[in-house]
Amino acid sequence: DIQMTQSPSSVSASVGDTVTIACRASQGIGPWLAWYQQKPGTAPKLLIYAASNLHNGVPLRFSGSGSGTDFTLTISGVQPEDSGTYYCQQANSFPRFGQGTRVEVK
Amino acid sequence: EVQLVESGGGPVKPGGSLRLSCEASGFTLSSYNMHWVRQAPGKGLEWVSSSTIMSSYFYYAASVTGRFAVSRDNAKNSLYLYMNNLGIEDTGVYYCARDCGGACRNYWNFDVWGRGTLVTVSS
Repeated sequence: DIQMTQSPSSVSASVGDTVTIACRASQGIGPWLAWYQQKPGTAPKLLIYAASNLHNGVPLRFSGSGSGTDFTLTISGVQPEDSGTYYCQQANSFPRFGQGTRVEVK
Repeated sequence: EVQLVESGGGPVKPGGSLRLSCEASGFTLSSYNMHWVRQAPGKGLEWVSSSTIMSSYFYYAASVTGRFAVSRDNAKNSLYLYMNNLGIEDTGVYYCARDCGGACRNYWNFDVWGRGTLVTVSS
């Protein structure tokens, strides 16, 4: 099984900051990584697929990069509505999610 | 509007069974791979099961293999999850999710999610 490890587990940022979340796969998965945002009490939302492709309607301040085993989600100019938990998910085979990164925007 | 609505959750005793339903609207379910993902209270996301287009293949996480079964009724535009021999560790919110398919360059990306249905396994 491919294991996914995210860091940090939580981050606190001020409005306008740049937030970076890392995700590492236990073995190479090519570009097949997705990122999701989840707010309390709601379902996850797809942000990015294939490591760097923005899903429909996702603000341009979100971006993704990486390939193989190391990936990054960047929020440039974070906004209050970006608070929530972010999950990476390998999409190379049977899905496996990272443990999540909680983002608090003050 | 593209939408998924889950139902069928509720309280159940250990060893019991439940059937979850997921009704799709705004798109034809038979044209997509479909998935179940769950989330234990206060925990992260865990993929549970998948049904491919035309029910050609079914896949299960190791934690539910032999106890859960997924099926779909294309005439009702619905997906189902049959859960047997439930344990406390199966407690959580169960989400139905649509696979993005070729629009996301690859499978296993979930672009539409339902609001979830809560399953509580407790004696």
